[in-house]
Amino acid sequence: EDQVTQSPEALRLQEGESSSLNCSYTVSGLRGLFWYRQDPGKGPEFLFTLYSAGEEKEKERLKATLTKKESFLHITAPKPEDSATYLCAVGTGNQFYFGTGTSLTVIP
Amino acid sequence: DVKVTQSSRYLVKRTGEKVFLECVQDMDHENMFWYRQDPGLGLRLIYFSYDVKMKEKGDIPEGYSVSREKKERFSLILESASTNQTSMYLCASSLSGLTDTQYFGPGTRLTVL
Repeated sequence: EDQVTQSPEALRLQEGESSSLNCSYTVSGLRGLFWYRQDPGKGPEFLFTLYSAGEEKEKERLKATLTKKESFLHITAPKPEDSATYLCAVGTGNQFYFGTGTSLTVIP
Repeated sequence: DVKVTQSSRYLVKRTGEKVFLECVQDMDHENMFWYRQDPGLGLRLIYFSYDVKMKEKGDIPEGYSVSREKKERFSLILESASTNQTSMYLCASSLSGLTDTQYFGPGTRLTVL
């Protein structure tokens, strides 16, 4: 069965404490893996698309990596404004699967 | 920048009312999607459209219908709102393939009393 699992469900970090969020997937025929940021009460904001194992993308304090089974979103020296829910999604030939997200809280 | 707008941020309706949620995208995208998002359940696809007047059921279409008369506009209709349809509704669009990056609107928080 195709599925996408994110871990941990929730993460609390001190400001400046780097960490990683995980998105593992079991799907047939990966076409793309997507990371989004979602603030409370708002729609998801697109961050990255990764297409093949070994690919990496960076934006400010965020870096996304992809292997054949999982993706990591690395957060380096986070700030309180990085607090949000981070969603990953996987696209196959004809489906788009979302994980349930990791809620990140960065404490000043 | 891709822009997806939704007609209302907050909506309160009564049980049995007909509800229209509108979504407009300004990037000439082929595909448009309607999701609902509930705590613990994540995003669930209601319907999507890959062309004008074309629609496909998603995972939870029961109690909903959609309309796409123009490429930029995709409407979600609740024929007779029920309390279990209280949720956050999110519209998204993507350029062409079903697995292209989806861009989301700000969401509509619907409460059915």
